[in-house]
Amino acid sequence: EDQVTQSPEALRLQEGESSSLNCSYTVSGLRGLFWYRQDPGKGPEFLFTLYSAGEEKEKERLKATLTKKESFLHITAPKPEDSATYLCAVQAVSGNTPLVFGKGTRLSVIA
Amino acid sequence: NAGVTQTPKFQVLKTGQSMTLQCAQDMNHNSMYWYRQDPGMGLRLIYYSASEGTTDKGEVPNGYNVSRLNKREFSLRLESAAPSQTSVYFCASRPKRGSSYEQYFGPGTRLTVT
Repeated sequence: EDQVTQSPEALRLQEGESSSLNCSYTVSGLRGLFWYRQDPGKGPEFLFTLYSAGEEKEKERLKATLTKKESFLHITAPKPEDSATYLCAVQAVSGNTPLVFGKGTRLSVIA
Repeated sequence: NAGVTQTPKFQVLKTGQSMTLQCAQDMNHNSMYWYRQDPGMGLRLIYYSASEGTTDKGEVPNGYNVSRLNKREFSLRLESAAPSQTSVYFCASRPKRGSSYEQYFGPGTRLTVT
């Protein structure tokens, strides 16, 4: 069974304090790993797709990396507007399998 | 482009009432999905439609039915609402197979069943 585990559940950072969020996964052949950002009361917003180990993607203060067992979302010098829940999801190679989501990491960045 | 739109935004039902949640996308996507999101449970797939004319069960389909009305619209129906169906419901869509696999989400419907 495909599974996604995110850690920590919650993270509180001071503005400018860099850190990383973890997404560990088990999947029967990875088609893609996805990162989303979700603000309170809103739908998830797509950030990145990673397809193979060693791949990296960047957007502003966020960088996502991928290994064969986990992905990291690195946040460099975060600002209060980066506060949100970050969701990780995987899709297996076989057929038209839906995404399997982790429970998310709730990030708070304090000014 | 409005992306993925959902109606209504909020709804309160009494136990046993029925309702239909509407979803539409204007991105010409083939696949559409219905999720529910509950505290501590994450996003769970209820039903999905890989293409117009097809629907499949997801992880938590009991108590729900879906209709893929056309390529743009995918509705979710609760025939007899129960308090356990109190949740936030998200619709999502994805481009056709063979291209990008990421899903794009709507703003959600917050449903309370009393």
